[in-house]
Amino acid sequence: QSALTQPAYVSGSPGQSITISCSGTISDIGYYNYVSWFQQYPGKAPKLIIYDVFNRPSGVSNRFSGSKSGNTASLTVSGLQAEDEADYFCSSYSSRSLYVFGSGTRVTVL
Amino acid sequence: QLLLQEPGPRLVKPSETLSLTCTVSDSSIIISNYYWGWIRQTPGKGLQFIANIQDGGSTFHNPSLKSRVTISVDTSKKQFSLSLTSVTASDAAVYYCARFIMRSVVISQIDPWGQGIQVTVSS
Repeated sequence: QSALTQPAYVSGSPGQSITISCSGTISDIGYYNYVSWFQQYPGKAPKLIIYDVFNRPSGVSNRFSGSKSGNTASLTVSGLQAEDEADYFCSSYSSRSLYVFGSGTRVTVL
Repeated sequence: QLLLQEPGPRLVKPSETLSLTCTVSDSSIIISNYYWGWIRQTPGKGLQFIANIQDGGSTFHNPSLKSRVTISVDTSKKQFSLSLTSVTASDAAVYYCARFIMRSVVISQIDPWGQGIQVTVSS
Protein backbone atom coordinates (compact mmCIF):
# COMPACT_ATOMS: atom_id res chain seq x y z
CA GLN A 1 0.00 0.00 0.00
CA SER A 2 1.44 3.34 -1.08
CA ALA A 3 1.59 6.20 1.38
CA LEU A 4 0.39 8.83 -1.09
CA THR A 5 -2.98 8.48 -2.82
CA GLN A 6 -3.47 9.11 -6.53
CA PRO A 7 -6.42 8.40 -8.82
CA ALA A 8 -5.89 5.12 -10.63
CA TYR A 9 -6.89 6.48 -14.04
CA VAL A 10 -7.09 9.87 -15.74
CA SER A 11 -7.90 10.41 -19.38
CA GLY A 12 -8.16 13.29 -21.80
CA SER A 13 -8.34 14.14 -25.46
CA PRO A 14 -5.39 15.47 -27.44
CA GLY A 15 -4.87 19.16 -26.78
CA GLN A 16 -6.76 19.13 -23.51
CA SER A 17 -5.27 19.64 -20.05
CA ILE A 18 -5.43 17.05 -17.31
CA THR A 19 -4.56 17.25 -13.63
CA ILE A 20 -3.40 14.37 -11.44
CA SER A 21 -3.76 14.73 -7.69
CA CYS A 22 -1.50 13.27 -5.02
CA SER A 23 -2.90 13.25 -1.51
CA GLY A 24 -0.68 12.97 1.55
CA THR A 25 -0.56 14.17 5.14
CA ILE A 26 1.01 16.86 7.27
CA SER A 27 3.96 14.48 7.75
CA ASP A 28 4.90 14.63 4.07
CA ILE A 29 3.33 16.81 1.38
CA GLY A 30 1.65 19.13 3.85
CA TYR A 31 4.84 20.21 5.56
CA TYR A 32 7.67 19.74 3.07
CA ASN A 33 8.22 21.24 -0.37
CA TYR A 34 9.97 18.13 -1.67
CA VAL A 35 7.36 16.67 -3.97
CA SER A 36 8.48 14.98 -7.18
CA TRP A 37 6.65 13.52 -10.14
CA PHE A 38 7.84 10.70 -12.37
CA GLN A 39 6.67 9.47 -15.77
CA GLN A 40 6.95 5.76 -16.55
CA TYR A 41 6.30 3.92 -19.80
CA PRO A 42 5.55 0.17 -19.69
CA GLY A 43 8.69 -1.86 -19.11
CA LYS A 44 10.82 1.25 -18.63
CA ALA A 45 12.34 3.02 -15.66
CA PRO A 46 10.62 6.06 -14.16
CA LYS A 47 11.80 9.46 -15.39
CA LEU A 48 11.85 12.57 -13.22
CA ILE A 49 9.62 15.32 -14.66
CA ILE A 50 9.00 17.58 -11.63
CA TYR A 51 10.99 18.09 -8.42
CA ASP A 52 10.66 20.32 -5.36
CA VAL A 53 6.92 20.77 -6.12
CA PHE A 54 7.18 22.79 -9.34
CA ASN A 55 10.71 22.62 -10.81
CA ARG A 56 11.33 20.92 -14.16
CA PRO A 57 14.63 19.19 -14.93
CA SER A 58 16.41 20.35 -18.04
CA GLY A 59 14.86 18.86 -21.16
CA VAL A 60 11.40 18.23 -19.69
CA SER A 61 8.55 19.82 -21.64
CA ASN A 62 6.99 22.95 -20.15
CA ARG A 63 3.63 21.28 -20.75
CA PHE A 64 4.25 19.60 -17.38
CA SER A 65 3.69 21.72 -14.30
CA GLY A 66 3.47 21.01 -10.59
CA SER A 67 1.79 22.67 -7.64
CA LYS A 68 0.79 22.05 -4.05
CA SER A 69 -2.03 23.08 -1.74
CA GLY A 70 -2.20 21.84 1.81
CA ASN A 71 -1.66 18.08 1.91
CA THR A 72 -2.27 17.63 -1.82
CA ALA A 73 0.13 18.02 -4.71
CA SER A 74 -0.93 18.19 -8.35
CA LEU A 75 0.60 17.54 -11.74
CA THR A 76 -0.95 19.28 -14.73
CA VAL A 77 -0.26 18.18 -18.28
CA SER A 78 -1.25 20.84 -20.79
CA GLY A 79 -1.80 20.31 -24.50
CA LEU A 80 -2.12 16.56 -24.02
CA GLN A 81 -0.27 14.51 -26.64
CA ALA A 82 -0.29 10.82 -27.52
CA GLU A 83 3.25 10.50 -26.12
CA ASP A 84 1.95 11.54 -22.69
CA GLU A 85 0.14 8.22 -22.33
CA ALA A 86 2.05 6.62 -19.45
CA ASP A 87 1.98 6.01 -15.70
CA TYR A 88 2.69 8.93 -13.39
CA PHE A 89 3.90 8.68 -9.80
CA CYS A 90 4.26 11.34 -7.15
CA SER A 91 6.69 11.19 -4.25
CA SER A 92 7.57 13.19 -1.16
CA TYR A 93 9.95 13.40 1.74
CA SER A 94 8.26 12.00 4.83
CA SER A 95 9.16 12.61 8.45
CA ARG A 96 7.76 9.16 9.24
CA SER A 97 9.19 6.98 6.47
CA LEU A 98 11.98 9.16 5.00
CA TYR A 99 10.59 8.99 1.46
CA VAL A 100 7.24 7.84 0.09
CA PHE A 101 5.67 7.30 -3.30
CA GLY A 102 2.18 7.57 -4.66
CA SER A 103 0.09 4.68 -5.91
CA GLY A 104 0.40 5.76 -9.53
CA THR A 105 -1.98 7.10 -12.17
CA ARG A 106 -2.44 5.65 -15.64
CA VAL A 107 -2.98 8.46 -18.14
CA THR A 108 -4.87 7.57 -21.31
CA VAL A 109 -5.06 9.83 -24.33
CA LEU A 110 -8.43 9.29 -25.97
CA GLN B 1 24.43 11.37 -20.74
CA LEU B 2 24.80 9.60 -17.42
CA LEU B 3 23.87 5.95 -17.50
CA LEU B 4 23.37 3.53 -14.66
CA GLN B 5 23.75 -0.11 -15.56
CA GLU B 6 22.59 -3.15 -13.66
CA PRO B 7 23.10 -6.77 -14.75
CA GLY B 8 20.25 -9.00 -15.91
CA PRO B 9 17.44 -10.81 -14.06
CA ARG B 10 18.21 -12.45 -10.76
CA LEU B 11 16.80 -15.54 -9.05
CA VAL B 12 17.25 -15.81 -5.28
CA LYS B 13 16.10 -18.55 -2.91
CA PRO B 14 14.02 -17.69 0.16
CA SER B 15 16.11 -16.86 3.24
CA GLU B 16 19.19 -16.16 1.11
CA THR B 17 20.88 -12.80 0.49
CA LEU B 18 20.19 -10.70 -2.59
CA SER B 19 23.23 -8.82 -3.90
CA LEU B 20 22.99 -6.22 -6.64
CA THR B 21 25.58 -3.90 -8.17
CA CYS B 22 25.14 -0.79 -10.28
CA THR B 23 27.84 0.76 -12.47
CA VAL B 24 27.99 4.49 -13.13
CA SER B 25 29.04 5.49 -16.65
CA ASP B 26 31.04 8.57 -15.65
CA SER B 27 33.08 9.87 -12.72
CA SER B 28 30.24 11.69 -11.00
CA ILE B 29 30.17 8.98 -8.33
CA ILE B 30 32.86 10.96 -6.49
CA ILE B 31 30.91 14.23 -6.52
CA SER B 32 29.83 14.83 -2.95
CA ASN B 33 26.53 16.43 -3.97
CA TYR B 34 25.30 13.10 -5.25
CA TYR B 35 24.03 10.06 -3.43
CA TRP B 36 23.59 6.67 -5.10
CA GLY B 37 20.92 4.20 -4.16
CA TRP B 38 18.14 1.74 -4.77
CA ILE B 39 14.39 1.75 -5.25
CA ARG B 40 12.17 -1.24 -5.91
CA GLN B 41 8.80 -1.60 -7.61
CA THR B 42 6.09 -4.23 -7.40
CA PRO B 43 2.62 -4.26 -8.98
CA GLY B 44 1.01 -4.57 -5.57
CA LYS B 45 3.04 -2.27 -3.31
CA GLY B 46 4.25 0.20 -5.91
CA LEU B 47 7.54 2.04 -5.55
CA GLN B 48 9.62 1.82 -2.38
CA PHE B 49 12.83 3.65 -1.48
CA ILE B 50 15.41 1.23 -0.06
CA ALA B 51 18.62 3.12 0.74
CA ASN B 52 21.26 5.46 -0.66
CA ILE B 53 24.91 6.29 -0.04
CA GLN B 54 27.40 9.07 -0.72
CA ASP B 55 31.00 8.47 -1.80
CA GLY B 56 32.10 9.51 1.69
CA GLY B 57 29.95 6.76 3.22
CA SER B 58 26.99 8.75 4.50
CA THR B 59 23.81 6.70 4.13
CA PHE B 60 20.05 6.94 4.41
CA HIS B 61 17.82 3.90 4.82
CA ASN B 62 14.12 3.15 4.64
CA PRO B 63 13.36 2.38 8.31
CA SER B 64 11.23 -0.63 7.36
CA LEU B 65 14.13 -2.34 5.57
CA LYS B 66 17.14 -1.01 7.44
CA SER B 67 17.77 -4.13 9.53
CA ARG B 68 18.22 -6.26 6.39
CA VAL B 69 19.98 -3.78 4.09
CA THR B 70 23.64 -3.02 3.54
CA ILE B 71 24.64 -0.46 0.94
CA SER B 72 28.20 0.21 -0.15
CA VAL B 73 30.15 2.20 -2.74
CA ASP B 74 33.41 1.48 -4.59
CA THR B 75 34.51 4.67 -6.29
CA SER B 76 37.52 3.02 -7.94
CA LYS B 77 35.15 0.77 -9.89
CA LYS B 78 32.45 3.46 -10.20
CA GLN B 79 30.04 1.02 -8.61
CA PHE B 80 27.63 0.89 -5.70
CA SER B 81 25.99 -2.21 -4.28
CA LEU B 82 22.98 -3.40 -2.33
CA SER B 83 22.75 -6.42 -0.06
CA LEU B 84 19.36 -7.56 1.24
CA THR B 85 19.38 -10.45 3.69
CA SER B 86 16.77 -13.08 4.54
CA VAL B 87 14.69 -12.51 1.42
CA THR B 88 11.10 -13.69 1.18
CA ALA B 89 8.54 -13.73 -1.60
CA SER B 90 7.59 -10.16 -0.69
CA ASP B 91 11.06 -9.00 -1.79
CA ALA B 92 10.40 -10.03 -5.38
CA ALA B 93 10.34 -6.84 -7.42
CA VAL B 94 12.04 -4.80 -10.09
CA TYR B 95 15.05 -3.17 -8.43
CA TYR B 96 16.26 0.15 -9.82
CA CYS B 97 19.52 1.90 -9.06
CA ALA B 98 19.46 5.67 -9.27
CA ARG B 99 21.28 8.91 -8.56
CA PHE B 100 19.94 11.09 -5.76
CA ILE B 101 20.36 14.80 -5.10
CA MET B 102 19.91 15.58 -1.43
CA ARG B 103 19.01 18.86 0.28
CA SER B 104 20.63 18.29 3.67
CA VAL B 105 18.87 15.10 4.83
CA VAL B 106 16.02 15.30 2.33
CA ILE B 107 15.80 13.63 -1.08
CA SER B 108 15.16 16.36 -3.64
CA GLN B 109 15.73 14.62 -6.96
CA ILE B 110 16.03 11.03 -8.20
CA ASP B 111 17.51 11.19 -11.68
CA PRO B 112 18.51 9.24 -13.67
CA TRP B 113 17.37 5.69 -12.97
CA GLY B 114 18.93 2.47 -14.22
CA GLN B 115 16.89 0.21 -16.50
CA GLY B 116 15.88 -2.07 -13.62
CA ILE B 117 16.55 -5.67 -12.63
CA GLN B 118 13.78 -8.22 -12.23
CA VAL B 119 14.39 -10.16 -9.03
CA THR B 120 12.50 -13.39 -8.47
CA VAL B 121 12.42 -15.17 -5.11
CA SER B 122 11.82 -18.89 -5.48
CA SER B 123 13.22 -22.17 -4.25
